[in-house]
Amino acid sequence: EDQVTQSPEALRLQEGESSSLNCSYTVSGLRGLFWYRQDPGKGPEFLFTLYSAGEEKEKERLKATLTKKESFLHITAPKPEDSATYLCAVQVKNSGAGSYQLTFGKGTKLSVIP
Amino acid sequence: NAGVTQTPKFQVLKTGQSMTLQCAQDMNHNSMYWYRQDPGMGLRLIYYSASEGTTDKGEVPNGYNVSRLNKREFSLRLESAAPSQTSVYFCASSEDRDSPLHFGNGTRLTVT
Repeated sequence: EDQVTQSPEALRLQEGESSSLNCSYTVSGLRGLFWYRQDPGKGPEFLFTLYSAGEEKEKERLKATLTKKESFLHITAPKPEDSATYLCAVQVKNSGAGSYQLTFGKGTKLSVIP
Repeated sequence: NAGVTQTPKFQVLKTGQSMTLQCAQDMNHNSMYWYRQDPGMGLRLIYYSASEGTTDKGEVPNGYNVSRLNKREFSLRLESAAPSQTSVYFCASSEDRDSPLHFGNGTRLTVT
């Protein structure tokens, strides 16, 4: 069974205090790993897609990395506006309909304190 | 661009009542999805439509039906609502199966 585990469940940071969020996964074959940001009362917003071990993507203060077992979302010098829940999702290699189904983690709730 | 629009934003139903959640996208995407989000659980796929004219079950389809009305619109119907269907429902769309999902802002449904 495909599994996605995110840690920690919640993280409080001081403004400017860098840290990392973890997404570990167990799947039969990874087609893609997605990171989303979700603000309260809103739908998830796409951040990154990673496809193979060693790949890295960056956007402003965020950098996502991928290994064969996990992905990290590194947040450098966070600001209060980075406060949100960050979701990780995996897409499994499947030539059929199964590749349309993403398995989501439960998310990490990040709070950045001024 | 509006992106993905869901209606209504909030709904309260009594057990046994029926309702349809509406979703429309203006990005000319081929694929559309319905997810539910519950506290302490990840987003779970209810149904999806890979392309206009097709629909398939996801992880948690029981108690729901869907209709892909045209390329823009994908509706979710609860025929006889149950308290276990209290949740936040998100519609999403993507260009194809490998493209990122674009989500609407959700419908918050309470079944009493």
